[in-house]
Amino acid sequence: GQQVQQSPASLVLQEGENAELQCNFSSTATQLQWFYQSPGGSLVSLLSNPSGTKHTGRLTSTTVTKERRSSLHISSSQTTDSGTYLCAIGRNSNNRIFFGDGTQLVVKP
Amino acid sequence: EAGVTQSPRYAVLQEGQAVSFWCDPISGHDTLYWYQQPRDQGPQLLVYFRDEAVIDNSQLPSDRFSAVRPKGTNSTLKIQSAKQGDTATYLCASSPRLGAQDTQYFGPGTRLLVL
Repeated sequence: GQQVQQSPASLVLQEGENAELQCNFSSTATQLQWFYQSPGGSLVSLLSNPSGTKHTGRLTSTTVTKERRSSLHISSSQTTDSGTYLCAIGRNSNNRIFFGDGTQLVVKP
Repeated sequence: EAGVTQSPRYAVLQEGQAVSFWCDPISGHDTLYWYQQPRDQGPQLLVYFRDEAVIDNSQLPSDRFSAVRPKGTNSTLKIQSAKQGDTATYLCASSPRLGAQDTQYFGPGTRLLVL
């Protein structure tokens, strides 16, 4: 079954609004990463946050390991934030990670 | 430092044709991954290597798919007899060290359309 569930599946915002993306996972995770995938397909790591709260720029991730959930908050969204946000978990030391199906974000000017 | 490179960027095939995808990982990275990403889904691992050795190929459809990394650097993923269900983007990624939970760095992908 699906190990990583993301919500919402899609989100449309006006520029300047904040976004809250959710990731729930069905098994314990020692690794959790948020990735961004541009409309052209290139995938880049945004944050690695297996537990607690982490900030980088306008992004804040909070992971509650015991509850098997993580969130990604994007403040003051910009049109260039449009794309797909993917959550991925890892369970042990072999580097294998499992992706959710992503949240497609559209930020309108 | 150059990133992960992949070629070709796009491929269009008829069912039954063969195709090969090529990946050049970041220099010095010992671990290389191939993922399949169907439209509107997350990437799904097909196979990964440490140096030239296959670590896990359990998700690779072995009757038609094969992957090699003969010198522990570049890698090739081949589909022998493509089916419409193989339509997807094929992503290659590399990470510095197996077992260290390092971030994976992704290439731009090859978008495959099987007619």
